[in-house]
Amino acid sequence: GENVEQHPSTLSVQEGDSAVIKCTYSDSASNYFPWYKQELGKRPQLIIDIRSNVGEKKDQRIAVTLNKTAKHFSLHITETQPEDSAVYFCAASAPTDKLIFGTGTRLQVFP
Amino acid sequence: DAGVIQSPRHEVTEMGQEVTLRCKPISGHNSLFWYRQTMMRGLELLIYFNNNVPIDDSGMPEDRFSAKMPNASFSTLKIQPSEPRDSAVYFCASSRQIYEQYFGPGTRLTVT
Repeated sequence: GENVEQHPSTLSVQEGDSAVIKCTYSDSASNYFPWYKQELGKRPQLIIDIRSNVGEKKDQRIAVTLNKTAKHFSLHITETQPEDSAVYFCAASAPTDKLIFGTGTRLQVFP
Repeated sequence: DAGVIQSPRHEVTEMGQEVTLRCKPISGHNSLFWYRQTMMRGLELLIYFNNNVPIDDSGMPEDRFSAKMPNASFSTLKIQPSEPRDSAVYFCASSRQIYEQYFGPGTRLTVT
């Protein structure tokens, strides 16, 4: 079955810097890769997703890139702000199969 | 749209008691998921339904856990009997098929 690894587990950046979180997956049939943001005590919220027919997707300050050959995908946050501080989860799924989540990255943005 | 609704938001119970968690998915979504989140094990999928039919329950920890979806707008997760190690936040999520899952606010369960 699918296995998703996520790095780093914690990430600290200065406000205004960029942050990059990386995930690898094992199942070459996986074709859907969402990213979730979870603030302390809140629910995971979908912030961006990408399908395997696209190499990159951008939404304002966040972007996701996908390398199908290497089976890895990354979340990029530019111009980080304190409100970006949260735990970020990547996930992957094959068609009509369940999402497999990574173990999460705790991002701290210092003013 | 109200989003995914879960109740109760907090539940404190004693070991051995039955616990029932409830979920109302987003209208029009045909897939429903139950997750458990703990610091030690992260976010685990317990079971998911598609068109009210259980598709994969391989994440259900043991026979003490059961889930039902009697109709498209309601699902329950039951733990009987509950144990302290069941203490966690339980999330329900819904989606159209597997994609774009939207999570409910969660139920924080404490078993003493």
